[in-house]
Amino acid sequence: GENVEQHPSTLSVQEGDSAVIKCTYSDSASNYFPWYKQELGKGPQLIIDIRSNVGEKKDQRIAVTLNKTAKHFSLHITETQPEDSAVYFCAAQSLRDDKIIFGKGTRLHILP
Amino acid sequence: SQTIHQWPATLVQPVGSPLSLECTVEGTSNPNLYWYRQAAGRGLQLLFYSVGIGQISSEVPQNLSASRPQDRQFILSSKKLLLSDSGFYLCAWSQAGADNEQFFGPGTRLTVL
Repeated sequence: GENVEQHPSTLSVQEGDSAVIKCTYSDSASNYFPWYKQELGKGPQLIIDIRSNVGEKKDQRIAVTLNKTAKHFSLHITETQPEDSAVYFCAAQSLRDDKIIFGKGTRLHILP
Repeated sequence: SQTIHQWPATLVQPVGSPLSLECTVEGTSNPNLYWYRQAAGRGLQLLFYSVGIGQISSEVPQNLSASRPQDRQFILSSKKLLLSDSGFYLCAWSQAGADNEQFFGPGTRLTVL
């Protein structure tokens, strides 16, 4: 089955700088890659996603890139702000079933 | 619009007691439903998912079970809780089929003492 690895587990970034979180997946049949943000005590919420027919997608300060050959995908947050502090999860879904497999998460701290 | 509810929000139970967590979805029909557990400082572990009434797939063998008695109701149960069952339990739904966003509920914080 699918396996998603996420790095780093913790990331501290100065406010205004950029943050990058990287993930790899194992199943070449995966074609949908969402990113979720989880604030303390709440359920995760989708912030951006990318499908396998696209290499990059951007939404204001957030961008995702996908390298299908290498089975890598990354989240980029530019001009970080205090409200970006949260846990971020990458995930991958295969065409084989309706399950989304999540990475272990990255705790992002934005330093003042 | 669609909404997802979970209750209770917080639960403290003794070891060996039973468990019943409920999740309901409004505003959609025939959703896929999921139960996840999130242990402290760890990722999201898929426990069960369901693509229809009475159809449950178990991802991790353990002392938990799930049932889907109605189209938009998903229940997580245990006959006897273990200390290791403590965690944050999240229910989620998505439209049927692949490539669809999962929407998470607010979660239940379970502490087993």
